Formats: sequence, C-alpha cells, structure tokens
Amino acid sequence: NAGVMQNPRHLVRRRGQEARLRCSPMKGHSHVYWYRQLPEEGLKFMVYLQKENIIDESGMPKERFSAEFPKEGPSILRIQQVVRGDSAAYFCASSPQRTGGFGYTFGSGTRLTVV
Amino acid sequence: KNEVEQSPQNLTAQEGEFITINCSYSVGISALHWLQQHPGGGIVSLFMLSSGKKKHGRLIATINIQEKHSSLHITASHPRDSAVYICAVSPDLGRDDKIIFGKGTRLHILP
Repeated sequence: NAGVMQNPRHLVRRRGQEARLRCSPMKGHSHVYWYRQLPEEGLKFMVYLQKENIIDESGMPKERFSAEFPKEGPSILRIQQVVRGDSAAYFCASSPQRTGGFGYTFGSGTRLTVV
Repeated sequence: KNEVEQSPQNLTAQEGEFITINCSYSVGISALHWLQQHPGGGIVSLFMLSSGKKKHGRLIATINIQEKHSSLHITASHPRDSAVYICAVSPDLGRDDKIIFGKGTRLHILP
C-alpha cells in the first residue's frame, strides 16, 4: 500500500512557464490537502479537495493558481506564469475522512525552483 | 501572534542528550501532530495525539489540553535525529479542518 506519491520531486521552471504538480493520495483516501512551504517559513494551507470538488481554497492565491482532483487520476496543483516568489516546496497530504486531524499522510513534496 | 508557537527555534545538542521541544497553541483543537522533516526530504508523521502521552522508540510526546501545550522528547539522542520537528494542530470540528503548523524547531545533534 504505497503512501502519498508526489511527482516530480524537483521541478525547475523559467519565469512565465507553467508548473504542474501531481499528488496521488493513499489508497482509500478521498481527501487531499495541498500545502506550501516557503524558505524559512512554516507550512501554509493552500487548498482542500475531495474527488471532483474543491472544498476550501482559502489559502490559495486568487490568480495563476488552480487545483483539481478528478474522478480518475491524481490531484493536480497548477501554477501558471510562474514567478520567482513561487519557488517553494509544495506538499500534499491525504486522509480517509474529513474529521480534522485523523489519518493525515504526507507526500515527500515537490520542490519548485523558478529561474 | 502565531496560533502555534514552538520553542526553541534552533537546538544543538551532543549525542546522547535528552531533548525537549515545546509547542503552545491558542486555538481549540481536535488533535495535535508532531512531524519530522529531514533536509530536502519529505514530512513524516511521528505522533498524533489528543490527550495524555504517546511513546514510540526513543520518542515521547505529551499533551496538556488545559494548558494548550505539548512537548516532544527524544531520549539518548543520535545524529540521525537531526531534522526539523514541526508541531501542528487540527482545529475543532465545526471550524475549517485544515491543519495549522508551527514554524518548526531545527535540531542538530553533534556526534
């Protein structure tokens, strides 16, 4: 039973390009959370999704960022027209249910570098 | 003021020392997490607790709900324990159930 799989582990993009980050939750987990970790900062919540639904995107920048969790396939965090300030580690976590704090499993993260 | 505060921010100790990392929070919670993050690595969940004390190997986590405080202890510390330890809380049900993270405590164990 594989854990939460994120890919790629490292992603380099030039300013203005698009970045697509993938997260496959643990088997049986239908809730996915994305977090961003800026250098020297703690993790910050971005978005919470269930299959085909965005439940809470209050932590996500209004422009250039979008997330989806389709019926089939991984959850995708998409950043359009990347800027240097988007350079960070992006983690996703999954859980089998909504009730806060039970069964969260984190992925290894994607480290995005914008050059 | 952050809702989750950790102390110390940085800690350097000699191999074998007993380590304590503290976490205080200001919101109601349904659970508290201790996480470990190695440099360049992913995040591993060490403990999730809502009361009392849990032990796993050389790691011990305690929580005092009334005082809104938790501690993570490492006995007989080893250089491989060097990592960032993150405290995180899950707010009460009825609020958003997204986790709130502390900024982490960077631990360095010298051989």
